[in-house]
Amino acid sequence: QVQLVESGGGLVKPGGSLRLSCAASGFTFSDYYMSWIRQAPGKGLEWVSYISSSSSYTNYADSVKGRFTISRDNAKNSLYLQMNSLRAEDTAVYYCARVDGKALEVYFDYWGQGTLVTVSS
Amino acid sequence: QSVLTQPPSVSGAPGQRVTISCTGSSSNIGAGYDVHWYQQLPGTAPKLLIYGNSNRPSGVPDRFSGSKSGTSASLAITGLQAEDEADYYCQSYDSSLRAVVFGGGTKLTVL
Repeated sequence: QVQLVESGGGLVKPGGSLRLSCAASGFTFSDYYMSWIRQAPGKGLEWVSYISSSSSYTNYADSVKGRFTISRDNAKNSLYLQMNSLRAEDTAVYYCARVDGKALEVYFDYWGQGTLVTVSS
Repeated sequence: QSVLTQPPSVSGAPGQRVTISCTGSSSNIGAGYDVHWYQQLPGTAPKLLIYGNSNRPSGVPDRFSGSKSGTSASLAITGLQAEDEADYYCQSYDSSLRAVVFGGGTKLTVL
């Protein structure tokens, strides 16, 4: 069965950095695009970024562009999110999700349990 | 505010039918991009409920159905059950933003 397990969340000061990881199992990781989606406390879902299966293509939400970097290691079945210059408004649960669909019409068919990132002094 | 607009809340009694709307614009739903729906039970991660406007993943009961017309989409739930109480989100792609977009979410209360 598909399993996605995030780690790396925690408390960080404004301006600080954090690296999230997502360990995937139960499917051929290198065949799928992958994505990060976040949810601020008590708020809705916000797409953050996705990466192609071979890492050749990435896309970011404007709110994180230039500060966050998505990457993957297909040999380790792992997805990453490097978050720099963190702001209070980045406080959220970050979900790793598998991407399905075609071209731009992607959707997220499996989600991890999420990891909480809190940005506060 | 979200690019896709959903009502903040809907409610219904057990056994009833409810619908949740998702209104977009000419740069997302109206441009022909597919709409997908997710269910988020309290304290859990979202789960894919409907993909490609009207398709159900394996394991999703046929009480859940999706449709799309013009710049809007709808999720219908028939035979409402207590376990359906959750937040529901629509999702599509926006060509102006060149980004995946979600609706603001709708909280379903089963009375």
